Amino acid sequence: KAGVTQTPRYLIKTRGQQVTLSCSPISGHRSVSWYQQTPGQGLQFLFEYFSETQRNKGNFPGRFSGRQFSNSRSEMNVSTLELGDSALYLCASSFSGTGVYEQYFGPGTRLTVT
Amino acid sequence: AQTVTQSQPEMSVQEAETVTLSCTYDTSESDYYLFWYKQPPSRQMILVIRQEAYKQQNATENRFSVNFQKAAKSFSLKISDSQLGDAAMYFCAYRSKTSGTYKYIFGTGTRLKVLA
Repeated sequence: KAGVTQTPRYLIKTRGQQVTLSCSPISGHRSVSWYQQTPGQGLQFLFEYFSETQRNKGNFPGRFSGRQFSNSRSEMNVSTLELGDSALYLCASSFSGTGVYEQYFGPGTRLTVT
Repeated sequence: AQTVTQSQPEMSVQEAETVTLSCTYDTSESDYYLFWYKQPPSRQMILVIRQEAYKQQNATENRFSVNFQKAAKSFSLKISDSQLGDAAMYFCAYRSKTSGTYKYIFGTGTRLKVLA
């Protein structure tokens, strides 16, 4: 079974631009979560989608948004990029939000904002 | 709100020796999940071990075991017979069981160096 995939793996953008990151979960997994990882802050939870609905949201500004499609694939969008948005963005999927199902992580998208 | 604290930013261990990584958490819930994840350099994060709070028995996965002290809200990871491949960032994570709050809360991580 294929793992979680994220595209693109690397991205360089300029301040003020917007960016869209994509995540394809493991087949059968309906929950997708997004995290921002930076050296100083560790992993910060962005949001979680389950069956095309945002179920949880972290403490990030409205510039960060996401969506999930009927095939469980998810996209994350960041508008009006700031230098501080430079980070590794990780996507994780799990079979369901209920129960003990652990999350499986993708390789991440490294975003650099210049 | 729940919090997870990893007080050791970096640890070193000699190959074949044993090392313990610390994690403490704060919660008012009585039932929840705890995890240890490993993130090797430039590689994907993978699950090392998990523990359900209502289970008193400490989880074990081969060379990895935990010391779960629920009353003290402590969840340490012990790595026995350390190998070079164990070098990585290790993250402790908490996940609520309460309906509607499925998000994971991660600690800031401990970088483990394994010395040959």
